[in-house]
Amino acid sequence: DTAVSQTPKYLVTQMGNDKSIKCEQNLGHDTMYWYKQDSKKFLKIMFSYNNKELIINETVPNRFSPKSPDKAHLNLHINSLELGDSAVYFCASSQRRPESDTQYFGPGTRLTVL
Amino acid sequence: KQEVTQIPAALSVPEGENLVLNCSFTDSAIYNLQWFRQDPGKGLTSLLLIQSSQREQTSGRLNASLDKSSGRSTLYIAASQPGDSATYLCAVEGSQGNLIFGKGTKLSVKP
Repeated sequence: DTAVSQTPKYLVTQMGNDKSIKCEQNLGHDTMYWYKQDSKKFLKIMFSYNNKELIINETVPNRFSPKSPDKAHLNLHINSLELGDSAVYFCASSQRRPESDTQYFGPGTRLTVL
Repeated sequence: KQEVTQIPAALSVPEGENLVLNCSFTDSAIYNLQWFRQDPGKGLTSLLLIQSSQREQTSGRLNASLDKSSGRSTLYIAASQPGDSATYLCAVEGSQGNLIFGKGTKLSVKP
């Protein structure tokens, strides 16, 4: 059984389009995250949700909007895509209470903006 | 602001060798430190997690140590194998649960 799944795996689109990436975890975790891995392979946190509430919103353009319909899902919607948005986006989840446990990562979504 | 540094950036060793990967962080106020492995084109696989109150963790041929006061962690891999070839990432967890990653060490184990 897949613990953290993302769809789609690959996304190729034109500048200016709007796109969404979906993430689901079946681990019963209380916290979910979105990370971005740039062309130099550097991973950086974008958002974090705990029990459907936004905890972390790093300095990410407001063209990026996360949506958490329930504890098991955290989707990422991106408006007006730009060339610089090309990257691999990873979803992750973890259980933070009572003690922080390891984060489980999805397989990633490679976004290419043309 | 927390910064995580990994040295070396790349490492190539012959099969069977023992090796050490280094990670340092600037702010000792961490919740835990985690080591991950990333294979090309794949997601991250958790290897070891050391809580801030612990000094080390072991899993099979892997041993990770944590010295919070000096802001250092090491990942020791014993008897390396070609299948160990991957990028190894060190990350520290901040107060809100977000992981702050180093840039990784790309390991190549030659048969």
